[in-house]
Amino acid sequence: AIRMTQSPSSFSASTGDRVTLTCRTSHDIGTYLAWYQQKPGEAPKLLIYAASTLQSGVPSRFSGSGSGTDFTLTISSLQSDDFATYYCQQYYSHPPGTFGLGTKVDIK
Amino acid sequence: DVQLLESGGGLVQPGGSLRLSCAASGFPFDKYAMNWVRQAPGKGLEWVSAISGSGGSTYHAESVKGRFTISRDNSKSTLYLQMSSLSPEDTAVYFCGKHLQVTAASGSDCWGQGTLVTVSS
Repeated sequence: AIRMTQSPSSFSASTGDRVTLTCRTSHDIGTYLAWYQQKPGEAPKLLIYAASTLQSGVPSRFSGSGSGTDFTLTISSLQSDDFATYYCQQYYSHPPGTFGLGTKVDIK
Repeated sequence: DVQLLESGGGLVQPGGSLRLSCAASGFPFDKYAMNWVRQAPGKGLEWVSAISGSGGSTYHAESVKGRFTISRDNSKSTLYLQMSSLSPEDTAVYFCGKHLQVTAASGSDCWGQGTLVTVSS
């Protein structure tokens, strides 16, 4: 099974900061990767799929990049609504759908 | 609008069984793969199961293989998760999700509100 490593597990940031989150996979998954945002008590929200494609309706301050085993999610200017936990998910190999452990972004 | 509504959660004793349902509306159900994802209290997301649009391909996480079965009734636009031999480790909120395409090789763009399963004596 593919292992997913997200870093950091949590960190504090301020509104307006540029934020970069990292996801690393144990095997080459091409661009079969999605990023989700989740707030407490809510379902996850798809931000990015195919590693870099912005989901419809998601603000353009979110962007994704990477392929193979190393991926990043960047928030160009952190807004108050962005404080949440972010998960990456691979859907390349069976079983499809493995999530990383998440990165929690909170207010500095 | 796309809507997913889970039901069937509740309190069950260890070793018991439960069937979750997810009623879908607002999109051609048989054209999209579906999945179940769970989240234990205070923990991260854990992918559980997925099924292709036709229902011909199913996938389960190792942690539930042999105990959980995902299925769908395209005539009723409903997804199911049959859970048996439940243990306290299965306690979680269970979300159903809609994939972006007919196969499970894609992200999930819509989720239900979740249904809580509590396994306890």
